[in-house]
Amino acid sequence: EAGVVQSPRYKIIEKKQPVAFWCNPISGHNTLYWYRQNLGQGPELLIRYENEEAVDDSQLPKDRFSAERLKGVDSTLKIQPAELGDSAVYLCASSPRGIGANVLTFGAGSRLTVL
Amino acid sequence: AQTVTQSQPEMSVQEAETVTLSCTYDTSENNYYLFWYKQPPSRQMILVIRQEAYKQQNATENRFSVNFQKAAKSFSLKISDSQLGDTAMYFCAFLHSNYQLIWGAGTKLIIKP
Repeated sequence: EAGVVQSPRYKIIEKKQPVAFWCNPISGHNTLYWYRQNLGQGPELLIRYENEEAVDDSQLPKDRFSAERLKGVDSTLKIQPAELGDSAVYLCASSPRGIGANVLTFGAGSRLTVL
Repeated sequence: AQTVTQSQPEMSVQEAETVTLSCTYDTSENNYYLFWYKQPPSRQMILVIRQEAYKQQNATENRFSVNFQKAAKSFSLKISDSQLGDTAMYFCAFLHSNYQLIWGAGTKLIIKP
């Protein structure tokens, strides 16, 4: 079974440029999460989807960040324009319904460097 | 507000030794889940072990076990017979009733040969 797939793994951009990250969750997982992880820190939730509905986006900086999960499968996280402080690893995770609902499976992450 | 505290920023032990990572949390909830996740250098986060708060028995997964003290709100991770591959950041996490995971700051564990 394929795990959570993220792309790109690495991205270097100049400030004020746009950037997008893509995530394909585990097949059948209806819950999808985007986290931001700064160096040496734990992950911070940006947004959580249940199917195609964003049920928790309270920590998403909506002035520059946007996300979508069309058809309740793949998801895209966009930053426009990027700022120096956005340099971080962006993690996608997914979880199933039912008894395993509280266990997250993470992707390898997308490391963003903003110059 | 719920918080998770990992008081050891970094630890190092010799291979084959036993090491214990500490985690404390603060909550007013009675039913919840606690987790330890491992993040090796430049690799993805993976689940090490999970504990349901309503279960008194401590969870065990091979060389990994927890000491769950609900009254003290403590959730430590013990790694027995440590291996070089155990070198990683270890994160303690608490699952909030609204399904939000609250994460600790992590402990960097180094296993020396």
